[in-house]
Amino acid sequence: SQQGEEDPQALSIQEGENATMNCSYKTSINNLQWYRQNSGRGLVHLILIRSNEREKHSGRLRVTLDTSKKSSSLLITASRAADTASYFCATSNDYKLSFGAGTTVTVRA
Amino acid sequence: DTGVSQDPRHKITKRGQNVTFRCDPISEHNRLYWYRQTLGQGPEFLTYFQNEAQLEKSRLLSDRFSAERPKGSFSTLEIQRTEQGDSAMYLCASSSTEINEQFFGPGTRLTVL
Repeated sequence: SQQGEEDPQALSIQEGENATMNCSYKTSINNLQWYRQNSGRGLVHLILIRSNEREKHSGRLRVTLDTSKKSSSLLITASRAADTASYFCATSNDYKLSFGAGTTVTVRA
Repeated sequence: DTGVSQDPRHKITKRGQNVTFRCDPISEHNRLYWYRQTLGQGPEFLTYFQNEAQLEKSRLLSDRFSAERPKGSFSTLEIQRTEQGDSAMYLCASSSTEINEQFFGPGTRLTVL
């Protein structure tokens, strides 16, 4: 079973715009990770946020975590065509990751 | 290249045949994971090794599936008597004990005809 649930399922934006996607989960976690997957390929690790952190930045990425609401958001600023991909959140208690079904982001040139 | 590697990248087999996949983790990582991903879904956990010990197996891993990690280095995942429902992307990941930041390989896409 998958714990995380991303919203929206799909997102289409213009190059240069920001993209925001959300992740909700059900049980307590140690950390939450975001991954990107280009069509038919492996997952690329984007960012890890621990349960005692509220916000984290990495380049054009900003991740927030609200453990009281059991939710996280991923913001991609100034999107580029190369950001077109599926984005997954994954929660972790100890070792295994539980993924949602992902948000498919399309960046139009 | 010091990332996670998997071999083969693609495998097409007939129903009933056995297949074996290999994963080489990042060398300093002592944890290794196998996940399965079907179209339109996120990866689902299959099994996990810490060094050479297999510490957990998902209910998804039927008796036809077996995984090994001899000497705590590379790992193999074998599927016996493949079924069409086994068609999926099989992903391997590795991490260190200190930080559970998992790095994934490119995956092996299995098609069972």
